[in-house]
Amino acid sequence: NAGVTQTPKFQVLKTGQSMTLQCAQDMNHNSMYWYRQDPGMGLRLIYYSASEGTTDKGEVPNGYNVSRLNKREFSLRLESAAPSQTSVYFCASTRDGNIQYFGAGTRLSVL
Amino acid sequence: GENVEQHPSTLSVQEGDSAVIKCTYSDSASNYFPWYKQELGKGPQLIIDIRSNVGEKKDQRIAVTLNKTAKHFSLHITETQPEDSAVYFCAASTNDYKLSFGAGTTVTVRA
Repeated sequence: NAGVTQTPKFQVLKTGQSMTLQCAQDMNHNSMYWYRQDPGMGLRLIYYSASEGTTDKGEVPNGYNVSRLNKREFSLRLESAAPSQTSVYFCASTRDGNIQYFGAGTRLSVL
Repeated sequence: GENVEQHPSTLSVQEGDSAVIKCTYSDSASNYFPWYKQELGKGPQLIIDIRSNVGEKKDQRIAVTLNKTAKHFSLHITETQPEDSAVYFCAASTNDYKLSFGAGTTVTVRA
């Protein structure tokens, strides 16, 4: 049982480049989330999708876009990467809206 | 929105001693309080949670207490072991499918 799978695990970008972080879950969960984790700041919500076909902004959405491709997949796109977006990105999913299951993370550096 | 504060930011304990991490929250409507453990290089994993209709919950060496009047909740780890070394996050949620996380506590268990 894979749970939540994130790709890639590591990525280095130059300022201005674009990229998409992929997330897929095989637990038939309805809701999915994207967080960023920075030292001393915990996990901050970027975007979430409460159900297939819906997306909403979280605490720090600027500079990001998301797509809920289907029930399994939720992608995060950086259109023009900036050094401030250097972070570790986590995808999570939940069936019941409370207990969230996290992926292993994507470590992104923007130079 | 919800604001969750977590203390201390770092905690060093001797193996076999107890560890206590405290969190406060601001939104009196919050009714779900999970604790996550994050090991190095991995995503956070739920270790215990408590709902607002319960004052205390135990699971082997881990316990969580909730004081709704004071709006604070705590994680207690007894008989600490080296494998308890990790970063611990508290979180709070209302019924809106979103979690607000504390900044995290790095726990080190000294042998």
